Amino acid sequence: GENVEQHPSTLSVQEGDSAVIKCTYSDSASNYFPWYKQELGKRPQLIIDIRSNVGEKKDQRIAVTLNKTAKHFSLHITETQPEDSAVYFCGGGSYIPTFGRGTSLIVHP
Amino acid sequence: DAGVIQSPRHEVTEMGQEVTLRCKPISGHDYLFWYRQTMMRGLELLIYFNNNVPIDDSGMPEDRFSAKMPNASFSTLKIQPSEPRDSAVYFCASSTRPHSNQPQHFGDGTRLSIL
Repeated sequence: GENVEQHPSTLSVQEGDSAVIKCTYSDSASNYFPWYKQELGKRPQLIIDIRSNVGEKKDQRIAVTLNKTAKHFSLHITETQPEDSAVYFCGGGSYIPTFGRGTSLIVHP
Repeated sequence: DAGVIQSPRHEVTEMGQEVTLRCKPISGHDYLFWYRQTMMRGLELLIYFNNNVPIDDSGMPEDRFSAKMPNASFSTLKIQPSEPRDSAVYFCASSTRPHSNQPQHFGDGTRLSIL
């Protein structure tokens, strides 16, 4: 089955800085890569996803890049704000996504 | 749309007791997933259903765990007997056509504490 590794486990940035979270996957057949944001005590919510036929997707301050050759994908958050503080999960798979262990992002005002 | 509805939100019980978690998926979603979230293991897929039929239960930790989906709008996850190591947040999620890369929608979760 798919194995998704996510780094770092914790990321601390100052407000206004950029944040980058990286994930690698093992199954070359994987073609769908969602990213979920989970605020403390809340449900995971989809913030952006990318499919294998594109290399990059952007939505306002959030972007995701995918390198199929290297089997890694990344989440980029620019101009971070305190409300971006949460745990972010990456997922990868060709049918049912496997999730990474999560990255706790802390944005200091 | 009311989203995925889970109950109870919190459950505290003593070890050895039976625990039943409930989930109502989004109407029209024919896939339903049960996840367990812990600090140590992250978000683990326990089992998923398609059209009320269990497809993959390889993530169910042991025979103490069972899941059913008697109809398209209701599923249960049961633990009997419960143990302290079962303490976690249990999420239910639903989606349409994951093979066509449709995202999963999560419920608010059940925070389970086994004393």
